[in-house]
Amino acid sequence: KAGVTQTPRYLIKTRGQQVTLSCSPISGHRSVSWYQQTPGQGLQFLFEYFSETQRNKGNFPGRFSGRQFSNSRSEMNVSTLELGDSALYLCASSLDSISAEAFFGQGTRLTVV
Amino acid sequence: GQQLNQSPQSMFIQEGEDVSMNCTSSSIFNTWLWYKQDPGEGPVLLIALYKAGELTSNGRLTAQFGITRKDSFLNISASIPSDVGIYFCAGLRMSGNTPLVFGKGTRLSVIA
Repeated sequence: KAGVTQTPRYLIKTRGQQVTLSCSPISGHRSVSWYQQTPGQGLQFLFEYFSETQRNKGNFPGRFSGRQFSNSRSEMNVSTLELGDSALYLCASSLDSISAEAFFGQGTRLTVV
Repeated sequence: GQQLNQSPQSMFIQEGEDVSMNCTSSSIFNTWLWYKQDPGEGPVLLIALYKAGELTSNGRLTAQFGITRKDSFLNISASIPSDVGIYFCAGLRMSGNTPLVFGKGTRLSVIA
């Protein structure tokens, strides 16, 4: 059974640009959550999607957005990139909206210069 | 956002030693999870705990769900070099439609 797949693995963008990250959950999993990981702040919750609907949203500015498709694949978008957006972005998939066990992908390392 | 209090922040131990780390919170959780993250990789789920007082093992790893529902412990016995990494606790609160809350991690270094 394939795990969670995130693409791309690495990205370098300049300030002001926008970026889209992709996540394919484990087959059969319908819940996808996104996290931002930085050395200083640890794992910070961005948002969660289940059945194409955003169920929860973390405390991030509106520049951070996401969506989920009918096949459960998810994308997150960051517009008007800032230097502070440099981080490892992790996607986690769960079987459903009430399952606690979340399985992470390898992450996308975003560097904003 | 709210995070769990995880300690210690880092540990340096000799190969073969046992390791203990813990997570505490002022809030009640109904599920505790423990993850390990290697450099450049995503966290890997090690153990999931669902009941207060529950003690669960996965090889040399043992984790416990605190009886007060406000804490959890992870022990690693007879550490080996591949145990190096960052260990995270995560909790799911009892009430509300809330996401997992994570600790800031314990960085484990093993000296051969």
